[in-house]
Amino acid sequence: AQKVTQAQTEISVVEKEDVTLDCVYETRDTTYYLFWYKQPPSGELVFLIRRNSFDEQNEISGRYSWNFQKSTSSFNFTITASQVVDSAVYFCALRPLIQGAQKLVFGQGTRLTINP
Amino acid sequence: EAGVAQSPRYKIIEKRQSVAFWCNPISGHATLYWYQQILGQGPKLLIQFQNNGVVDDSQLPKDRFSAERLKGVDSTLKIQPAKLEDSAVYLCASSVPRGRVRQGVSGANVLTFGAGSRLTVL
Repeated sequence: AQKVTQAQTEISVVEKEDVTLDCVYETRDTTYYLFWYKQPPSGELVFLIRRNSFDEQNEISGRYSWNFQKSTSSFNFTITASQVVDSAVYFCALRPLIQGAQKLVFGQGTRLTINP
Repeated sequence: EAGVAQSPRYKIIEKRQSVAFWCNPISGHATLYWYQQILGQGPKLLIQFQNNGVVDDSQLPKDRFSAERLKGVDSTLKIQPAKLEDSAVYLCASSVPRGRVRQGVSGANVLTFGAGSRLTVL
């Protein structure tokens, strides 16, 4: 069985603060992909990043960075110098790297509010 | 490129009534998904199509939900009769250009989501 846990239901910070969203996953598969999606108030899920289980290099994209640690089954997401436009619900997701069914399993989401 | 189109954006019905949602995926995408997102939760897969065939419908409540993708392009999701607990946002997503399906690429492809159809059952 596959499971993604985002323990933080809601986070509220003041603009320009750094914030980290936690994601812990469970899977018996040895190869898999991890994703982060952003869901702004408009409702559309926006893809942020994909990481495969072979690659534990951390990644940085502008103010966003991701820390993948296979040993602890975690894939955390950090926003540096947060901005009001970062306010959204963020979802971590997991998908096995196999042919055929490509079920994307989502966590419960973390609602991030950036206050001016 | 145009995104995933869904309609209607909002629908309010009484319980036991029926409702249908429509999705037009990104042109050339072979795989289409319907997800249900209940308020405060992450999306849950209802059904996955590859072209016009069903790949996974294990979490679709088949006594009341049905979905089809007859020509391998757009899709409809129907609920009949609706229950109060069906109140949710129904998200459609697509992935995998048709050429890459033939190459056996899987797992890596990014899903592109539509804006969703919000259903309220009273």
